[in-house]
Amino acid sequence: QKEVEQDPGPLSVPEGAIVSLNCTYSNSAFQYFMWYRQYSRKGPELLMYTYSSGNKEDGRFTAQVDKSSKYISLFIRDSQPSDSATYLCAMKDSGAGSYQLTFGKGTKLSVIP
Amino acid sequence: DTEVTQTPKHLVMGMTNKKSLKCEQHMGHRAMYWYKQKAKKPPELMFVYSYEKLSINESVPSRFSPECPNSSLLNLHLHALQPEDSALYLCASSQGGRRSAPWDEQFFGPGTRLTVL
Repeated sequence: QKEVEQDPGPLSVPEGAIVSLNCTYSNSAFQYFMWYRQYSRKGPELLMYTYSSGNKEDGRFTAQVDKSSKYISLFIRDSQPSDSATYLCAMKDSGAGSYQLTFGKGTKLSVIP
Repeated sequence: DTEVTQTPKHLVMGMTNKKSLKCEQHMGHRAMYWYKQKAKKPPELMFVYSYEKLSINESVPSRFSPECPNSSLLNLHLHALQPEDSALYLCASSQGGRRSAPWDEQFFGPGTRLTVL
């Protein structure tokens, strides 16, 4: 079983839709949970991160972590064509000086005008 | 300046060539990373430098040779590569060190798209 599972999609939605992206994981040592957005032929950029369980909201984006279920989600409200990209979840344990990020495969999202 | 820059953007090389990828950041970060990303795959960690010392080498073949000449620069020297080494090579940096925040955000550059013929 891979450490992080993420449905690669592709996912296609109409503009204005609510998008739900998610990842599951098996390593209970993960404490930091990140969502990166990667446009075609570009490097990943950090969208949001959360520590341990709970929700975090930033504009149209909401990240949720349920550590009991080992499940994380990213919700995008009022999706825009500019949101079309690949979304990668990433996770990290809590060790200070620990550099290792474990990525999901990424979900390719297309928002159709 | 919150940017990681990488040169060149694209590189085509033969299997006998020697080339280098360059990465630069001026955020005062002390940890720098090389990742390899194949199409439709997540980034795979290759090397980590912490305070200009190689901290992690993820069993990468010796045809890839990293170098960190100072705290702002990171190079990846390439020699005798194989066609399967064609990929997007990403550089990242983070504050690093024990005094950094435990989660230590990594900032990625745009990558160098490498094609080995």
